[in-house]
Amino acid sequence: KQEVTQIPAALSVPEGENLVLNCSFTDSAIYNLQWFRQDPGKGLTSLLLIQSSQREQTSGRLNASLDKSSGRSTLYIAASQPGDSATYLCAVQTDSWGKFQFGAGTQVVVTP
Amino acid sequence: NAGVTQTPKFQVLKTGQSMTLQCAQDMNHEYMSWYRQDPGMGLRLIHYSVGAGITDQGEVPNGYNVSRSTTEDFPLRLLSAAPSQTSVYFCASSYRGAGDEQYFGPGTRLTVT
Repeated sequence: KQEVTQIPAALSVPEGENLVLNCSFTDSAIYNLQWFRQDPGKGLTSLLLIQSSQREQTSGRLNASLDKSSGRSTLYIAASQPGDSATYLCAVQTDSWGKFQFGAGTQVVVTP
Repeated sequence: NAGVTQTPKFQVLKTGQSMTLQCAQDMNHEYMSWYRQDPGMGLRLIHYSVGAGITDQGEVPNGYNVSRSTTEDFPLRLLSAAPSQTSVYFCASSYRGAGDEQYFGPGTRLTVT
């Protein structure tokens, strides 16, 4: 069974510092990997989707890499801002029908 | 587009009561799914559907029923609520499932007393 792990569970950084969030998965046979942001009491907002054939994906200050062979993805957020404070979740698609397995998330606090 | 909508936002049930959580999407997505989110456990898949009339079980299906009579709607039924079903429930959809981005609703916070 696919297992997805996000370490650390919580992270606090001062404003302006770059954020590095890690996601690891046990089975490299994935269809894609998606990063989400979740604000307290809210739903999930999609940040980046990386197809299994891609190595990275970028959107603005966000960059996500994917290394299927080692079972890892990293989300980089450049020049963090207090508005980046949220929980970040990664999810891997495990079958062709679109089932996803989620990590437990990393809670990020960016202090002014 | 309204995206993925869920009702109600909050619900309190007594043990043994039944209810239906509503989910609708207006993006003509074929794939829809229900997750529950519990502290420290991430999101776990309850049931999913790959099109109208087709549903299947996810990781934690016990105590829940689903049906999909239209492309737009995917309700989740709690047959006899138990305190262990206290959770936040999210509905998600994607165009076809495979390789496509998932969109999530705002969630329903359910408390069973």
